[in-house]
Amino acid sequence: DIQMTQSPSTLSASVGDRVTITCRASQSINNWLAWYQQKPGKAPKLLIYKASSLQTGVPSRFSGSGSGTEFTLSISSLQPDDFATYYCQQYSSFPPYSFGQGTRLEIK
Amino acid sequence: EVQLVESGGGLVQPGGSLRLSCAASGFTFSRYAMHWVRQAPGKGLEYVSAISSDGISTYNANSVKGRFTIFRDNSKNTLYLHMGSLRTEDMAMYYCARYDSTWSYDNWGQGTLVTVSS
Repeated sequence: DIQMTQSPSTLSASVGDRVTITCRASQSINNWLAWYQQKPGKAPKLLIYKASSLQTGVPSRFSGSGSGTEFTLSISSLQPDDFATYYCQQYSSFPPYSFGQGTRLEIK
Repeated sequence: EVQLVESGGGLVQPGGSLRLSCAASGFTFSRYAMHWVRQAPGKGLEYVSAISSDGISTYNANSVKGRFTIFRDNSKNTLYLHMGSLRTEDMAMYYCARYDSTWSYDNWGQGTLVTVSS
């Protein structure tokens, strides 16, 4: 199975900050990586697919990059609505389509 | 609008069984693979089971192999998960998700909570 490792586990930031979350795969997944946002009590929401493609309706302050084994999710100017938990997920090798352990983005 | 609505969760004793359902609408259900993903309280996301669009191929995570069965009824636009020999570690929110080879999980249900306790 492919292991996905996110860092950091928790990130403290302020409104207006630029933040970056990293996701590493245990082997190459090309660009088959998705990013999800999850708020408490809600289902995950797809933000980015194929490492860098923005899902319809997602604000342009979100961006993804990377290929192979190293990927990043960036938020250019944090808004109050962005404080949530973020997960990466590989969909290159199945089963399973494994998730990272999550990064909790909290208000500083 | 794509909608996925799970039901069937509840309280069950260890060793018991439960069947979850996921009613789909707003898209051609029979064209998509469907997956179950779970989240234990305060924990991350974990893939559980998957089924191909035609229902012929199924896949289970090692943690549920031999205990859970995924199936679907394309005539009713419904996905199911039969869970047997339940353990306390199966306690989680269970989400159904539509899978697409380009977007991965592009739509999720709201989840149904399974509690395993004596």
